[in-house]
Amino acid sequence: DTAVSQTPKYLVTQMGNDKSIKCEQNLGHDTMYWYKQDSKKFLKIMFSYNNKELIINETVPNRFSPKSPDKAHLNLHINSLELGDSAVYFCASSPPRGVSYNEQFFGPGTRLTVL
Amino acid sequence: AQTVTQSQPEMSVQEAETVTLSCTYDTSESDYYLFWYKQPPSRQMILVIRQEAYKQQNATENRFSVNFQKAAKSFSLKISDSQLGDAAMYFCAYVAGGYQKVTFGTGTKLQVIP
Repeated sequence: DTAVSQTPKYLVTQMGNDKSIKCEQNLGHDTMYWYKQDSKKFLKIMFSYNNKELIINETVPNRFSPKSPDKAHLNLHINSLELGDSAVYFCASSPPRGVSYNEQFFGPGTRLTVL
Repeated sequence: AQTVTQSQPEMSVQEAETVTLSCTYDTSESDYYLFWYKQPPSRQMILVIRQEAYKQQNATENRFSVNFQKAAKSFSLKISDSQLGDAAMYFCAYVAGGYQKVTFGTGTKLQVIP
């Protein structure tokens, strides 16, 4: 199936731990994103990569570090997890400009719970 | 900075009736795109409909249509013949042409009453 996939879908961990979320898309897109959706459902962009190059880096704590080994993968590593990091994290991808109006194709989300 | 406002945190509609969800945005750009995304309880984000700002004609996708008022910077979503499966959070979104950053509104939770 062509899609954006994320692993894991659920992640429960203790405060202070380090964790990673992986994202892969097989749509042939060249831009990928990480979004955070908080408990009030507000969806906010965190990072975006275009062909492995960081192009959007919103005001996010340094504990969050994205890594794009190739244009089909964008991983998110979080150090020293805090209670406030609990949220649903969405990966998304979009086609090149001029192809599909920056339409976002979303992964299923990863629900992170920090205890 | 671009902002997207959804002033209705929650809406309800009777099954088979029509409902309109509101969205306004603020931008100084002339080239941009607008979207409505649906997020059902499964939490998967699904594109419902999109509109290019340069097109005067309102976009339509089956039971979903938009009322795009460019001068008023308004982009409302009309759902006709509402079905139980339409119950979800609906997000309005904006992106300037040539840019990659999408700005989402705060969402409207739609309840469909049988």
